[in-house]
Amino acid sequence: QSVLTQPPSASGTPGQRVTISCSGSNSNIGNNYVIWYQQLPGTAPKLLIYRNDQRPSGVPDRFSGSKSGTSASLAISGLRSEDEADYYCAAWDDSLSGVVFGGGTKLTVL
Amino acid sequence: VQLQESGPGLVKPSQTLSLTCTVSGGSLSSGSYYWSWIRQHPGKGLEWIGYIYYIGSTHYNPSLKSRLTISIDTSKNQFSLRLSSVTAADTAVYYCARAPDYDFWTFDLWGQGTLVTVSS
Repeated sequence: QSVLTQPPSASGTPGQRVTISCSGSNSNIGNNYVIWYQQLPGTAPKLLIYRNDQRPSGVPDRFSGSKSGTSASLAISGLRSEDEADYYCAAWDDSLSGVVFGGGTKLTVL
Repeated sequence: VQLQESGPGLVKPSQTLSLTCTVSGGSLSSGSYYWSWIRQHPGKGLEWIGYIYYIGSTHYNPSLKSRLTISIDTSKNQFSLRLSSVTAADTAVYYCARAPDYDFWTFDLWGQGTLVTVSS
């Protein structure tokens, strides 16, 4: 049981816009930045979004993040086949005094 | 900068799991970064294990704290993980990762990961 809650799966067709949610509490998302990671099959996770909505250099602007209260979202527009991956949200949890992750969302491009 | 995990791929139950992460192309002692271990159980999500700063200060996942030691050797540009009294539940891919010291859960660089199986 993960501290942050994500839907286990999401899907879309090429060109579509999909959104992945991440729900937490005041001790994590409500009080700290949210990070998003992308994990392509068989590879290590990669930083996708930091500080709720910032993209590292090299990440396409098709990826965007947002946060409101104790929830966050990752949006992917202009969906492409290479976006098929697992996506994880993360935050610091003040109560647990540690980094917590969501359970991950498997994105399928139909 | 690259990170590379190394260590035994098979550990017997009740023994100690030991892994090392070697940093190449950069210096551990330059500061500015926290160095973490993260694991992923087979087919499951990510679990943060703990981090160490270059001066040796550490912070551990409370659920693993009693069994965990993370250390650093700046002369070798390596940091290490020791997890004692392992069980099958510790079978996972173990990643080392880097995070800037102002956002220590923003892991901007990861190793490729190494699978550790706990089995007799």
